[in-house]
Amino acid sequence: RKEVEQDPGPFNVPEGATVAFNCTYSNSASQSFFWYRQDCRKEPKLLMSVYSSGNEDGRFTAQLNRASQYISLLIRDSKLSDSATYLCVVDPYNFNKFYFGSGTKLNVKP
Amino acid sequence: DAGVTQSPTHLIKTRGQHVTLRCSPISGHKSVSWYQQVLGQGPQFIFQYYEKEERGRGNFPDRFSARQFPNYSSELNVNALLLGDSALYLCASSSNDRGRATGELFFGEGSRLTVL
Repeated sequence: RKEVEQDPGPFNVPEGATVAFNCTYSNSASQSFFWYRQDCRKEPKLLMSVYSSGNEDGRFTAQLNRASQYISLLIRDSKLSDSATYLCVVDPYNFNKFYFGSGTKLNVKP
Repeated sequence: DAGVTQSPTHLIKTRGQHVTLRCSPISGHKSVSWYQQVLGQGPQFIFQYYEKEERGRGNFPDRFSARQFPNYSSELNVNALLLGDSALYLCASSSNDRGRATGELFFGEGSRLTVL
């Protein structure tokens, strides 16, 4: 079983749409969770950390459900510039040894 | 300030050859990690070094090795290259405090290796 699993997509949505990505992780003792964004042929970059209480950064909201070992990312009012691959990331041992999901591709269309 | 720099950016090798990839972390970062990203997949952890010591190793064969130098730069070496080693190799640095994670990994642009 993979450490982190996510729907590969692609998600094709119109501008202004709300889209949600989900991710599950296998290690129940995991401590740190993140969403990274990767543009085509570029390096991954941190989008946001995911906290137990949930957190919001502008149009982006991340949620963590420890009981179900489930992480989500919600993007509201999608922009063309949001088109990218979104990587769910878990650091089970809180030591910067990251486990990445395979990524969910988002295409926002005019 | 310079980000994480990697060299070379692209290289082509043939099966059986050896490759060395280099990485310079962000100034002040003492932790360097290496990841392999195959097309269509997320990055997969290979190694982590902190203060020149190996702190973690992923599920990769012994053909893969790495080291970290006193200036915190790092090299990844791969021997006896196979076709399946073709991938983007990403180096990431982080500001671990005494080896504990502080959260964000900063990635370089990667070295794209093609094995023919």
